[in-house]
Amino acid sequence: LAKTTQPISMDSYEGQEVNITCSHNNIATNDYITWYQQFPSQGPRFIIQGYKTKVTNEVASLFIPADRKSSTLSLPRVSLSDTAVYYCPYMEYGNKLVFGAGTILRVKS
Amino acid sequence: GAGVSQTPSNKVTEKGKYVELRCDPISGHTALYWYRQSLGQGPEFLIYFQGTGAADDSGLPNDRFFAVRPEGSVSTLKIQRTERGDSAVYLCASSAPGQAGTGELFFGEGSRLTVL
Repeated sequence: LAKTTQPISMDSYEGQEVNITCSHNNIATNDYITWYQQFPSQGPRFIIQGYKTKVTNEVASLFIPADRKSSTLSLPRVSLSDTAVYYCPYMEYGNKLVFGAGTILRVKS
Repeated sequence: GAGVSQTPSNKVTEKGKYVELRCDPISGHTALYWYRQSLGQGPEFLIYFQGTGAADDSGLPNDRFFAVRPEGSVSTLKIQRTERGDSAVYLCASSAPGQAGTGELFFGEGSRLTVL
């Protein structure tokens, strides 16, 4: 059964690079890896997606090793506004996206 | 609208009452999802529509919960005989044609339900 595991929380300081790693147990061959960001009182926001190797957009980078058993979300030079919960959900039989508790990222000044 | 719209944003009701929550997805999005989120937890899947039909309703907790999407656009989540344990934020998400299987969903701001 597919499942993802990620740290409960992380602390960082402004200007630092933050890397959040997610383990993807039993990820299916065809599944993409996606990451979401959620601020208080808002719905989750899709931030990046990849299948393998590295993907970069204006928000973050996503690193996926060849075996696809993990992924690392990299946030360059974080600011206070990056304080949020970050999720790496997994796909369950078809189009059912399942979320865990996520990683609470706290950025301090 | 440009994004997923959910109404009401806040709903306070009494135990035993009936509640309807509405979701207006992004125009053209064929897939629509309902999730429920309690404080400190991630979103919990409830039901997924592809067009007008419920493709997967395995997350609905019991028969007090029901959702419809009669014309393949707007969806309504209906909760009968509400209980205090139903208090949560109910999130709606939609996905573009062909994108649902990739995990790229667009969420609304949610409807916060409080059952007294």
